[in-house]
Amino acid sequence: DQQVKQNSPSLSVQEGRISILNCDYTNSMFDYFLWYKKYPAEGPTFLISISSIKDKNEDGRFTVFLNKSAKHLSLHIVPSQPGDSAVYFCAASKNNNDMRFGAGTRLTVKP
Amino acid sequence: DVKVTQSSRYLVKRTGEKVFLECVQDMDHENMFWYRQDPGLGLRLIYFSYDVKMKEKGDIPEGYSVSREKKERFSLILESASTNQTSMYLCASSTGHSGYTFGSGTRLTVV
Repeated sequence: DQQVKQNSPSLSVQEGRISILNCDYTNSMFDYFLWYKKYPAEGPTFLISISSIKDKNEDGRFTVFLNKSAKHLSLHIVPSQPGDSAVYFCAASKNNNDMRFGAGTRLTVKP
Repeated sequence: DVKVTQSSRYLVKRTGEKVFLECVQDMDHENMFWYRQDPGLGLRLIYFSYDVKMKEKGDIPEGYSVSREKKERFSLILESASTNQTSMYLCASSTGHSGYTFGSGTRLTVV
């Protein structure tokens, strides 16, 4: 039973446009949410996080939005760059313990 | 920089063999985790540990065991490898709300 779901396996956007990656979760006890980025043949690397006490966190071109009532979060990348092409994993945890991950969304940014 | 090192990038083992996957981190992190990554399923938690000699089952522990004799080392053991354990295995470590640092992964093929 997947507690974290990424329903879009892939997304393709044009360079310079906005990329929006979505994630839903089922466990209302999750209080910390993260996005990881993964290139082929490498481990995932931490991108951005948000605590459940916030609804938005911004870091440069990356913004994560959290809607607790809908149990939904999203990652916005603007402007998108070809180097952003990777698999993005959404993750959630309770007290930063045993994090659960979604299935991932493969983002392709076309020049 | 925190480093998580997985001893092998690629492994090929025969069905029924006992397989050891080693993971070492160099930043004195308390928490260590083993995940496997499969297409369409994302990262699934196998086992984790919050302290030396401590271990907890994740979502898919069947067919696996772990060992944590020293803080920096967390080993994943496949007692009798089977073809359905062919996967990418990822080790991670963390402390508090720092997010996880992942190793580069071990791609295991069981033939």
